[in-house]
Amino acid sequence: SQKIEQNSEALNIQEGKTATLTCNYTNYSPAYLQWYRQDPGRGPVFLLLIRENEKEKRKERLKVTFDTTLKQSLFHITASQPADSATYLCALDVSGNTPLVFGKGTRLSVIA
Amino acid sequence: NAGVTQTPKFQVLKTGQSMTLQCAQDMNHNSMYWYRQDPGMGLRLIYYSASEGTTDKGEVPNGYNVSRLNKREFSLRLESAAPSQTSVYFCASSEVGGNGNTIYFGEGSWLTVV
Repeated sequence: SQKIEQNSEALNIQEGKTATLTCNYTNYSPAYLQWYRQDPGRGPVFLLLIRENEKEKRKERLKVTFDTTLKQSLFHITASQPADSATYLCALDVSGNTPLVFGKGTRLSVIA
Repeated sequence: NAGVTQTPKFQVLKTGQSMTLQCAQDMNHNSMYWYRQDPGMGLRLIYYSASEGTTDKGEVPNGYNVSRLNKREFSLRLESAAPSQTSVYFCASSEVGGNGNTIYFGEGSWLTVV
């Protein structure tokens, strides 16, 4: 069956360190992979999109990698700050005109 | 600057009551979605509308109906609410479905069925 797994439900790191979140999937062949941020009591907000033929994408302190052989995406936040504390969701774009499929998310806490 | 607006924000229902969650977007998007989010279960798609005049079932459609009233509005109806429908509901929209289009979410509707 098709499955998306985000490495852990919760991740605690110290301010200034790099946070690395993992998204693994099975039995999908996504053309794109997206990452969203969700703050408590709010709707998810889009952060980054990476295409299947791209290895890496950067935006300010954020970096996403996409390995279609390993069926894995890594999401990095460098020089993390307490304001980065949120839940991060990965989402697969599995085929044209089909809604995104979301992972369950990883709740990141950055401790000062 | 409204984006996706959904109402109500909070609602308490008794088992068996009906209600409609309203959603409107002002971005001229073709596709609209209803998700529910439960602890430990993540976001699950209830129904979506790829374009005006079409609706399709998602992963968890049982107990729900939808109406794509026009291009802007997409409502979700619970005909006979059950405690299992206690959840946070998110409406969302995108220019089209898939193809790398990002999804814009509303702020959520907290529904409790007692």
